[in-house]
This record gives sequence, C-alpha cells and structure tokens, in this order.
Amino acid sequence: DGGITQSPKYLFRKEGQNVTLSCEQNLNHDAMYWYRQDPGQGLRLIYYSQIVNDFQKGDIAEGYSVSREKKESFPLTVTSAQKNPTAFYLCASCTGSDYNEQFFGPGTRLTVL
Amino acid sequence: RKEVEQDPGPFNVPEGATVAFNCTYSNSASQSFFWYRQDCRKEPKLLMSVYSSGNEDGRFTAQLNRASQYISLLIRDSKLSDSATYLCVVNSGDSWGKLQFGAGTQVVVTP
Repeated sequence: DGGITQSPKYLFRKEGQNVTLSCEQNLNHDAMYWYRQDPGQGLRLIYYSQIVNDFQKGDIAEGYSVSREKKESFPLTVTSAQKNPTAFYLCASCTGSDYNEQFFGPGTRLTVL
Repeated sequence: RKEVEQDPGPFNVPEGATVAFNCTYSNSASQSFFWYRQDCRKEPKLLMSVYSSGNEDGRFTAQLNRASQYISLLIRDSKLSDSATYLCVVNSGDSWGKLQFGAGTQVVVTP
C-alpha cells in the first residue's frame, strides 16, 4: 500500500538532546513538508522540499534541520537549540502537479522532559 | 492577526441536525481553499476543496466568498462519525503549496 510513514509514534527525549524524526513516502511525490502542531494553533510549516537535495525554510525553521538525500525520505532533526520542542510533528507530501492536496503521515508526538 | 481564523467551537450538534461554520482568511491573493478533517490525535485528511462556485460532496457543502474573504462548511444530517475538528486551509498564493492552516473548529455530534 502507498502512503506516508512516520516513526516513532511517540518519542521522549531529555532536554538538550538532538532527536531525528523519520518520514518516508512511497507515493513517488516530489514535494515533502514538515509541520508542527500545538494545542489551539494551526499547523505551522517548519521546512519543505520540492525536489531531492533541495529544501527551504518554512515559518518556524529555527532550531530544526532537514535533509533530502532521497526522494522517499525527509528526516527532521530537532536540535537542542529549539526552545520549546514538545509538540505533534506531521510530515506531508504531494505531487509536483498539485501542490495543494497534501497527504499527511500519522505524526510523531515528541515530548522533551 | 492570524492568516486563517476559525471559531474553535465546540459546536454540539444533535445527530441528524445541520451545522455550519465559517473561516476567514487575510491574504486576498489566496487562490485555493480546502477543508481538512482531523480526528483526535490523528493526522489531517483532505475533506474537500472549495471552488469559487461552491461545491457539494454528499452531506457536505463548501462555499467561498471572496469579497468578504471567508469560506464556509455545512454538514447536513450529521452522523456521530462526523465528530472531529475541521481545519480551514488556504494556499498562501505561491506555487509551492505553502498552505496556511486554521486552528480548527471542533464539532461534536451527540446521539
């Protein structure tokens, strides 16, 4: 079955540690996105990538880093510089022909203790 | 001011009733509009796109009012399974799919 997977579903880390969240898709989509969702707020864009080896900062990129070495994969690293990392992180992808219809992975709920 | 604003609700709706709610957006250059549905602690899923002439998909009707910069969603004959948070989503106007998300309107359908 085609889709987007994110792992793990729940992640706990100690303050000051970097952590990498996985996002993989087998939909052959060109574009991939990372969002953060906090209670009472809309999804906010962290980073996005339109093609392999290229990515752009979103609205809240500080304290995060990404890579796009393969079309299928778009991992997100939450660094110790991110001041409030506890959140629900969602990865999405879409085709190059319709950037509007984005398909989301199941999300990773990160808690920093 | 937020780019996309929604009444957070909750809208408590008896099963079988009709519920409608709006969303306002601030970017007049926006061209594409959507409603996504998000169940508790799950990912958002596209419910429907909103076309300028308005569109209907079964029990769901979406309308766009460009002059007043709002979109609406109406749910007829509400089912218990319609209980969810409905996210209003607006394309920011660029070509790379930068979507602006509202914080969502919670709908609770009661028996």
